[in-house]
Amino acid sequence: DIQMTQSPSSLSASVGDRVTITCRASQSISRYLNWYQHKPGTAPKVLVYAASSLPSGVPSRFSGSGSGTDFSLTISGLQSEDFATYYCQQTFSSPSTFGQGTKVDMK
Amino acid sequence: ERQLVESGGGLVQPGRSLRLSCAASGFAFDDYAMYWVRQPPGKGLEWVSFIGWNGDNKDYADSVKGRFTISRDNAKKSLYLQMNSLRPEDTAFYYCAKEVGGNAFWYLDLWGRGTLVTVSS
Repeated sequence: DIQMTQSPSSLSASVGDRVTITCRASQSISRYLNWYQHKPGTAPKVLVYAASSLPSGVPSRFSGSGSGTDFSLTISGLQSEDFATYYCQQTFSSPSTFGQGTKVDMK
Repeated sequence: ERQLVESGGGLVQPGRSLRLSCAASGFAFDDYAMYWVRQPPGKGLEWVSFIGWNGDNKDYADSVKGRFTISRDNAKKSLYLQMNSLRPEDTAFYYCAKEVGGNAFWYLDLWGRGTLVTVSS
């Protein structure tokens, strides 16, 4: 199975900050990388697919980049509603695997 | 409004069975592959199972293979997960999710809010 490792595991930030989360795959996955946001008690929400594409309705302050083994999710101008846990997911090979998550909380 | 609603979770003893359901609404359920993903308390997300749009194609995580069975009823717009021989390590929130993208860059574009399964004596 492909292992996905996120860093950091948690971070504290303020509204308006620029936040970057990284995700590293244990082998090359091309651009088969998705990012999700999850808040407790709610349904997870997709933010980025294919490493850098935003689904309709996702705010433009979210962006994704990377290919191969190294990827990142950037939030440009953190909003109060962005405090959540973020997960990367590889869909290059089965089983699809997720990173362990990065919790973004208020500084 | 597109929606997925899970049900059927609860407290169950080790070795017993439980059946989860997921009711879909607001989209053409029979056009899409569906997934079950779980999250143990305090831990990350884990893919559990997949079923193709017509039920012919299925796959399972090694951790549940031989114990869990995924199925769907397109007429009822419902997804199911039959869980047998449950273990304490199966304790988790279970989410159903809808795939979009097919064989290319697929992703899960709609998720339910989850149902909690607790396996304990």
